[in-house]
Amino acid sequence: GAVVSQHPSWVICKSGTSVKIECRSLDFQATTMFWYRQFPKQSLMLMATSNEGSKATYEQGVEKDKFLINHASLTLSTLTVTSAHPEDSSFYICSASPSTGGLVEQYFGPGTRLTVT
Amino acid sequence: AQSVTQPDIHITVSEGASLELRCNYSYGATPYLFWYVQSPGQGLQLLLKYFSGDTLVQGIKGFEAEFKRSQSSFNLRKPSVHWSDAAEYFCAVGAGDYKLSFGAGTTVTVRA
Repeated sequence: GAVVSQHPSWVICKSGTSVKIECRSLDFQATTMFWYRQFPKQSLMLMATSNEGSKATYEQGVEKDKFLINHASLTLSTLTVTSAHPEDSSFYICSASPSTGGLVEQYFGPGTRLTVT
Repeated sequence: AQSVTQPDIHITVSEGASLELRCNYSYGATPYLFWYVQSPGQGLQLLLKYFSGDTLVQGIKGFEAEFKRSQSSFNLRKPSVHWSDAAEYFCAVGAGDYKLSFGAGTTVTVRA
């Protein structure tokens, strides 16, 4: 149980285009979803937190107009990288939690590798 | 704010040997502590967690970790590693909210 999927697993796009990444909880309802960014050989950095039906809460330094997050249902959150540039190339990982605001396990997706050319 | 330090960037261990990965945290109150494992190109899998109670925590895949408040540490151990344990290991600390802060990770290489 507690499986989280991401789609696509990898994507290459041209500079200036937008890319949407989906995060789905397959066997539980995810009240809260998180989006992380991971640079090569580095740790995960939390970008934003979203609760179903609410606006996402972005971490300091994350451009909310560039990284659009939508958590429209209890099983789906999307991250859209708008007007992508090469510096946005990274590994994006989502996680999902069945609770709101409580620190229980976060179940992680397999990640999406974004390359912007 | 909480933070995590994993002093070892890379550890190489022989198959069958014991493994210990170090994790030090900084947080003013009682932390929530986690160890995750990440295989190449994969997401993170929870190995074990500490919230309260017994300071020696057992996890999956034969891993255990010990919380030492006096040393602000939460080191991960495994008595005998298998080739499949080669991966990236992340220690994470959570505060009273839901946010996790991750260490930089330790890469474990297992040699035959």
